[in-house]
Amino acid sequence: DAGVIQSPRHEVTEMGQEVTLRCKPISGHDYLFWYRQTMMRGLELLIYFNNNVPIDDSGMPEDRFSAKMPNASFSTLKIQPSEPRDSAVYFCASSPRNSPLHFGNGTRLTVT
Amino acid sequence: GQSLEQPSEVTAVEGAIVQINCTYQTSGFYGLSWYQQHDGGAPTFLSYNALDGLEETGRFSSFLSRSDSYGYLLLQELQMKDSASYFCAGTRVNDKLIFGTGTRLQVFP
Repeated sequence: DAGVIQSPRHEVTEMGQEVTLRCKPISGHDYLFWYRQTMMRGLELLIYFNNNVPIDDSGMPEDRFSAKMPNASFSTLKIQPSEPRDSAVYFCASSPRNSPLHFGNGTRLTVT
Repeated sequence: GQSLEQPSEVTAVEGAIVQINCTYQTSGFYGLSWYQQHDGGAPTFLSYNALDGLEETGRFSSFLSRSDSYGYLLLQELQMKDSASYFCAGTRVNDKLIFGTGTRLQVFP
């Protein structure tokens, strides 16, 4: 298996633009998680899905952030409009139930 | 609230033993995991404690005491490649995984 695949690896955009991050989980994994990592705030859980259904989105910072999982093999995290404070590394992870998380390589987002 | 606290940085020399502590102030965590992250990389799973006590995986061991809301990761026979950040993570009953503040380990020759 190729592991969790995230794209793009790097994204540089201007403030106010829409940003879409993509994730392909490992086949057969029931859970998909989106985390954001910064020096100041560490690894923050934004939202997670079980069988494509959002379970907890309490970590989503504000209405500018939205996430979808239209099927078992694809999820997106969208920021609209983006702001400089959104600059971070965004990780997607997947797992079977009661099992360790497998992380993708992350998307490094820079908003100028 | 939910928080898992770790020391921000630990240093040690090759061949030594180091312990990274994790304390948490919440109820509802039913297990504690440990993840390693090298600079520029993704977190990777190291160990999991579902019950109190010690779990050993090669050079790494992890301990949990739920009554004390405390756990630690023990790294033995340190190698240069162990220089990385280490995160504890608490699993909640609805499978939500919350990460600790992270500890940066620097191993010196």
